[in-house]
Amino acid sequence: AQRVTQPEKLLSVFKGAPVELKCNYSYSGSPELFWYVQYSRQRLQLLLRHISRESIKGFTADLNKGETSFHLKKPFAQEEDSAMYYCALRATPSGNTPLVFGKGTRLSVIA
Amino acid sequence: GAVVSQHPSRVICKSGTSVKIECRSLDFQATTMFWYRQFPKQSLMLMATSNEGSKATYEQGVEKDKFLINHASLTLSTLTVTSAHPEDSSFYICSAPITSSEQFFGPGTRLTVL
Repeated sequence: AQRVTQPEKLLSVFKGAPVELKCNYSYSGSPELFWYVQYSRQRLQLLLRHISRESIKGFTADLNKGETSFHLKKPFAQEEDSAMYYCALRATPSGNTPLVFGKGTRLSVIA
Repeated sequence: GAVVSQHPSRVICKSGTSVKIECRSLDFQATTMFWYRQFPKQSLMLMATSNEGSKATYEQGVEKDKFLINHASLTLSTLTVTSAHPEDSSFYICSAPITSSEQFFGPGTRLTVL
């Protein structure tokens, strides 16, 4: 079975401080991992995916297969980063395969 | 750009009635759409996969006779909550894949059953 675990419900950091949102997954195969973000009163949107190895809005995430983790990091948090962040897994690289979501972590960046 | 819309955004209904929620892909076609349910302060739980031209695939524990899904065209999937009860009150979200690795999500529909 596939499972995504985000251990922190809420993470509060000061502006300019580093941020790390934790995500661990459970899956026997080679999954695709994603981070989605939901800003206040907006729909869920893709932040980044592990296959792209890109940095979006200063965020990066590295897939660690040994630790089955895909933590989201940003060196200097900004107030506009305050949002709900969901880690998600997809078992097969197909658009017709649904995502399995973690419970989400609410990031609050304090000025 | 590609967008997924949902209608209505909010609906309040009496217990025992049925409610239809529409999910549309704008500017792109989607042979598959996904329906999720989100309880307050919880994650999105996949309910079913909607397939254009064929039956939907339901997740374990989701009653297919209660949550009717119809994928009538390449741009429209509907979720009908039949004989709704207060425990069906939730936030329902649909998504549609636009590429092999990216899905677009609708804004969600908040259902309140009195």
